[in-house]
Amino acid sequence: GAVVSQHPSWVICKSGTSVKIECRSLDFQATTMFWYRQFPKQSLMLMATSNEGSKATYEQGVEKDKFLINHASLTLSTLTVTSAHPEDSSFYICSARGQGSNTGELFFGEGSRLTVL
Amino acid sequence: SQKIEQNSEALNIQEGKTATLTCNYTNYSPAYLQWYRQDPGRGPVFLLLIRENEKEKRKERLKVTFDTTLKQSLFHITASQPADSATYLCALGKAAGNKLTFGGGTRVLVKP
Repeated sequence: GAVVSQHPSWVICKSGTSVKIECRSLDFQATTMFWYRQFPKQSLMLMATSNEGSKATYEQGVEKDKFLINHASLTLSTLTVTSAHPEDSSFYICSARGQGSNTGELFFGEGSRLTVL
Repeated sequence: SQKIEQNSEALNIQEGKTATLTCNYTNYSPAYLQWYRQDPGRGPVFLLLIRENEKEKRKERLKVTFDTTLKQSLFHITASQPADSATYLCALGKAAGNKLTFGGGTRVLVKP
């Protein structure tokens, strides 16, 4: 099946710094990518939908200036957590829907665990 | 508001038995429903999709039913194995290409 790669798989940073997480579709072109965050023992909460070549659509309550999303190519989307604080510590997961896909199946990355000290 | 509910209590089951998980939703009219498996510290993996006009879907030892009148989906793992131990998430979507909304997941533990 399709492969989505996420990097880094974990990152520890100091409060106030910015962290970039990359999400790549390795063997298919992803016109749409989704970014989720997940707190321990909770479900995935959709943060934003990014479409290649256009601005991301953010879910209600998600700060656009805090979580910058760029989807510059059909195989790469990035999430930058700006001025990270301890409350931003979470598991961030990206997913992609392939070009021409009509099944709605999402291919997920392995996730990136962010710890802000 | 939209609500997707899965049993938050872990399901402990003996190897070889059938595990049955429920996914109930309210204030929602999904076009399709999906089930995913998630292992600790990993991203979810797609298992099955069932559309609103389908009653049942099977894949190997997995079976999913979808009752739009009851607003419920049942997910069955037959002849369960310890390797089936994981958290299972249901997700609903309104149209192909649209975003998915996930339930809270149910953890399954299959004991040998």
